[in-house]
Amino acid sequence: AQRVTQPEKLLSVFKGAPVELKCNYSYSGSPELFWYVQYSRQRLQLLLRHISRESIKGFTADLNKGETSFHLKKPFAQEEDSAMYYCALQSSGSRLTFGEGTQLTVNP
Amino acid sequence: NAGVTQTPKFRVLKTGQSMTLLCAQDMNHEYMYWYRQDPGMGLRLIHYSVGEGTTAKGEVPDGYNVSRLKKQNFLLGLESAAPSQTSVYFCASFPTGTGRREQYFGPGTRLTVT
Repeated sequence: AQRVTQPEKLLSVFKGAPVELKCNYSYSGSPELFWYVQYSRQRLQLLLRHISRESIKGFTADLNKGETSFHLKKPFAQEEDSAMYYCALQSSGSRLTFGEGTQLTVNP
Repeated sequence: NAGVTQTPKFRVLKTGQSMTLLCAQDMNHEYMYWYRQDPGMGLRLIHYSVGEGTTAKGEVPDGYNVSRLKKQNFLLGLESAAPSQTSVYFCASFPTGTGRREQYFGPGTRLTVT
């Protein structure tokens, strides 16, 4: 069975500091991984997916199959980045398995 | 294009009461999902549907039923609500075929069971 783990429930950084949100997964097949973001009491939005190798709002994430990780990074955090971030793995039926989420707070 | 909408936005139930949450999408998506979001547990899949007239169990289906009589609607029912079902419920839809393949989420329904 697939599993996604986000070890940090809370992460707090100062504006302009680098930020890394960790995500580890276990899956027997070839993984398709995503990062979703949820701003305060809003709907979830797709931030990025590993297959497109894109950078959205300055965030990037690299899939490391050897370490089974998909960490989200941004070199200079902004206050508007404060949100809940979810790592998710897609399996059959296009179902998503989510991690527990990391609440990021960027302090001024 | 309204995307994915959910009705109602908020609801308070007493233990034992029943209710139905409605999810509607106007994007002609085949797949639809119901998740519940709880602090420290992320989102967990309750039930999903890969097409009109089909439903399947997800990770936490107990205490819920679903129906997909029309392609654009996915209903989630609670027959006898329990305090453990206090949660925020999100619906999502997913397109098949080509194009941007991602799940589109509704705004959520905040349910409290007392």
